[in-house]
Amino acid sequence: QKEVEQDPGPLSVPEGAIVSLNCTYSNSAFQYFMWYRQYSRKGPELLMYTYSSGNKEDGRFTAQVDKSSKYISLFIRDSQPSDSATYLCAMSAGTDKLIFGTGTRLQVFP
Amino acid sequence: DAGVTQSPTHLIKTRGQHVTLRCSPISGHKSVSWYQQVLGQGPQFIFQYYEKEERGRGNFPDRFSARQFPNYSSELNVNALLLGDSALYLCASSLERVRRADYGYTFGSGTRLTVV
Repeated sequence: QKEVEQDPGPLSVPEGAIVSLNCTYSNSAFQYFMWYRQYSRKGPELLMYTYSSGNKEDGRFTAQVDKSSKYISLFIRDSQPSDSATYLCAMSAGTDKLIFGTGTRLQVFP
Repeated sequence: DAGVTQSPTHLIKTRGQHVTLRCSPISGHKSVSWYQQVLGQGPQFIFQYYEKEERGRGNFPDRFSARQFPNYSSELNVNALLLGDSALYLCASSLERVRRADYGYTFGSGTRLTVV
């Protein structure tokens, strides 16, 4: 069993839709939770960072962490074609190593 | 300000050869990490260097090695290349070892290595 599970998609939605991306994990030591966006042929770009449980909002993006269920989510409101990319969840137990999910490919069509 | 710079951007090597990948961190960043991203997968941790010392190593064979120089740039070396080493190799830099509630990793665009 992988430490971090993420549905690879692809997920295809119309412009303006609300997108929900999710990851589950098995290591209860994880405390730091991140979402990265990766465009084709580019490196990952940090979108959201959350420490421990709770919600965090930044513009159209909301990150949620539920440590009791070992489940994290990223919501994108009013999705745009420019949001089309691969979204990676990543986690850490406080060491310098990030554990990534496989990534979910999102396509937002006009 | 320049971001994390990696060179070369693309590379084709033959099985059994050796390869060296280079990374220049953001100015002032002292920590460099290397990740391997196979097509369709998330990045996997290879090494982390801080202040020129190895601070972490992932589950990779001894064919993989790295080092960090006094100017904090870094090299990743892979010996005896296998077809399975074909991947995007990513470098990430941060100000210091990430031991606080503020993950400041910045990734480069990577080096795409193809082994034939």
